[in-house]
Amino acid sequence: AQRVTQPEKLLSVFKGAPVELKCNYSYSGSPELFWYVQYSRQRLQLLLRHISRESIKGFTADLNKGETSFHLKKPFAQEEDSAMYYCALSPSGGYQKVTFGTGTKLQVIP
Amino acid sequence: EAGVTQFPSHSVIEKGQTVTLRCDPISGHDNLYWYRRVMGKEIKFLLHFVKESKQDESGMPNNRFLAERTGGTYSTLKVQPAELEDSGVYFCASSQERFYEQFFGPGTRLTVL
Repeated sequence: AQRVTQPEKLLSVFKGAPVELKCNYSYSGSPELFWYVQYSRQRLQLLLRHISRESIKGFTADLNKGETSFHLKKPFAQEEDSAMYYCALSPSGGYQKVTFGTGTKLQVIP
Repeated sequence: EAGVTQFPSHSVIEKGQTVTLRCDPISGHDNLYWYRRVMGKEIKFLLHFVKESKQDESGMPNNRFLAERTGGTYSTLKVQPAELEDSGVYFCASSQERFYEQFFGPGTRLTVL
């Protein structure tokens, strides 16, 4: 069965500090991994996907197949980064049925 | 262009009553998905429509839930009769093609008392 684990419900960091949101997954095969973000009073939106290997709003995520992890990182947190972050996976080949983690609330302290 | 819309934004009903949630996808998006987040738990997939056909309904919790997408446009999700454990936020998403990004609606918060 596919599963996504986000061990932290809340992560508080000071502005300018590095951020790392942890995500581990279990899946029999090679899934596609994503990070979604939901800002206050806004809808859930895609932040980045591992196959695009791009940096969005300063965030990056590296897929580590050996450790089955897909941690989200940003070197310097900004106040506007405060939001709920969800790690997610889908079967190889695209979005389709997406499995989400429970989410981590990132709080950036001014 | 309007995004995915959902109605109502919030619904409060009593146990045993019926509730119907509606989702209007982005125009031209054949793929429509329903998800829900129960308090404190992860967002879970419920089902996937391709046009008016159910492609995958493996996430539907039980037969009290009925999803339809007549004409391949908007979709409804009916819960009958509602139980306390059905409380949560129900999200709808749509995508142009199956392997394209899913765009999410704002969600409907359902409270069953």
